[in-house]
Amino acid sequence: EDQVTQSPEALRLQEGESSSLNCSYTVSGLRGLFWYRQDPGKGPEFLFTLYSAGEEKEKERLKATLTKKESFLHITAPKPEDSATYLCAVQAPSGNTPLVFGKGTRLSVIA
Amino acid sequence: KAGVTQTPRYLIKTRGQQVTLSCSPISGHRSVSWYQQTPGQGLQFLFEYFSETQRNKGNFPGRFSGRQFSNSRSEMNVSTLELGDSALYLCASTMASAETQYFGPGTRLLVL
Repeated sequence: EDQVTQSPEALRLQEGESSSLNCSYTVSGLRGLFWYRQDPGKGPEFLFTLYSAGEEKEKERLKATLTKKESFLHITAPKPEDSATYLCAVQAPSGNTPLVFGKGTRLSVIA
Repeated sequence: KAGVTQTPRYLIKTRGQQVTLSCSPISGHRSVSWYQQTPGQGLQFLFEYFSETQRNKGNFPGRFSGRQFSNSRSEMNVSTLELGDSALYLCASTMASAETQYFGPGTRLLVL
């Protein structure tokens, strides 16, 4: 069974204190790995899609990387507005398989 | 381009009732997926519709059902509501199944 594990469950950072969130997965092959941001009471907002090991993508203070077993979301010099839950999801390559989500990392950035 | 819309945004029902939730995908998107999100279980896949056909189904009881119309709008129905059905129900759309899913704001369902 495909599984996605995110760590840590919660992370508290001071403004400007860089860190990384981890997403490890077990899936037979990988069609894509997706990162989303979710604010309380809202739907997930798409951030990145990664397709192959070694791939990296950046957006503002966020950078996502992918290896054969895990992905990292690096947050550089975070600001309070980066506080949210960050979700990782994977899609297996066989057929039209649905996304499998991790339970997320709840990030709090304190001014 | 308008995003995914879901109605209603909030709903309160009592045990045993049924409920219908609606989702309008992004224009041009033909695939609609539904998810249930709870604090304990996270996001769990309910079902996916593509061109009015259910293409995938998650591990939920038959009380959960859905359909898709010719304009790609989708509805999901939950019959005989239970307390454990209280959750945020999210809809996501894509042009095709293998592409990035874009989520709506969700419908918050509370079952009393």
